[in-house]
Amino acid sequence: EDQVTQSPEALRLQEGESSSLNCSYTVSGLRGLFWYRQDPGKGPEFLFTLYSAGEEKEKERLKATLTKKESFLHITAPKPEDSATYLCAVQARASGGSYIPTFGRGTSLIVHP
Amino acid sequence: ETGVTQTPRHLVMGMTNKKSLKCEQHLGHNAMYWYKQSAKKPLELMFVYSLEERVENNSVPSRFSPECPNSSHLFLHLHTLQPEDSALYLCASSQDGAPGYNEQFFGPGTRLTVL
Repeated sequence: EDQVTQSPEALRLQEGESSSLNCSYTVSGLRGLFWYRQDPGKGPEFLFTLYSAGEEKEKERLKATLTKKESFLHITAPKPEDSATYLCAVQARASGGSYIPTFGRGTSLIVHP
Repeated sequence: ETGVTQTPRHLVMGMTNKKSLKCEQHLGHNAMYWYKQSAKKPLELMFVYSLEERVENNSVPSRFSPECPNSSHLFLHLHTLQPEDSALYLCASSQDGAPGYNEQFFGPGTRLTVL
């Protein structure tokens, strides 16, 4: 059962066309929600951590927000270099009791010049 | 070297071979992870080593065997793999006592092909 669902699966934007990516989760007792960026052929690169509903974080053209059920990654006036796959992960309790990260399938973003 | 390094970057092996993947982190972190990334699937956590505790994903087949000799080095030993094991294997590290609690830093991955 997926605990993290990202939408849309793919998104194409024109340069300068702002939009949002969604990450919804069904974890009880959220310990942290993470956003990563992954370029082709590379490992994911950390962007943000959000810990509580109402929290917001910004980095250049990216802004991440968190509610009790979902997180949004807002991209303002994107540029072609923002093209990548964006991954969302939440810390969830494994069957053995430890907390481990669970990732969504990601949103593939392409920004056309 | 900086960050998290992985070797080899590419590996092709037969189903009867035995090989090992190596990961080294230069960040002073105390937790290390192995992930499997297949096309159109979420990142799948395989193993975690954190403060000498090992956490396993129970769905990982026994043909994958991790080894963590110290906090900077992590290995994934492979034997009698299947073609469906072909994927990108990612190593990551983080700094905290609770696995996955803090952000992770990933290596570039090893692209594994099983013939």
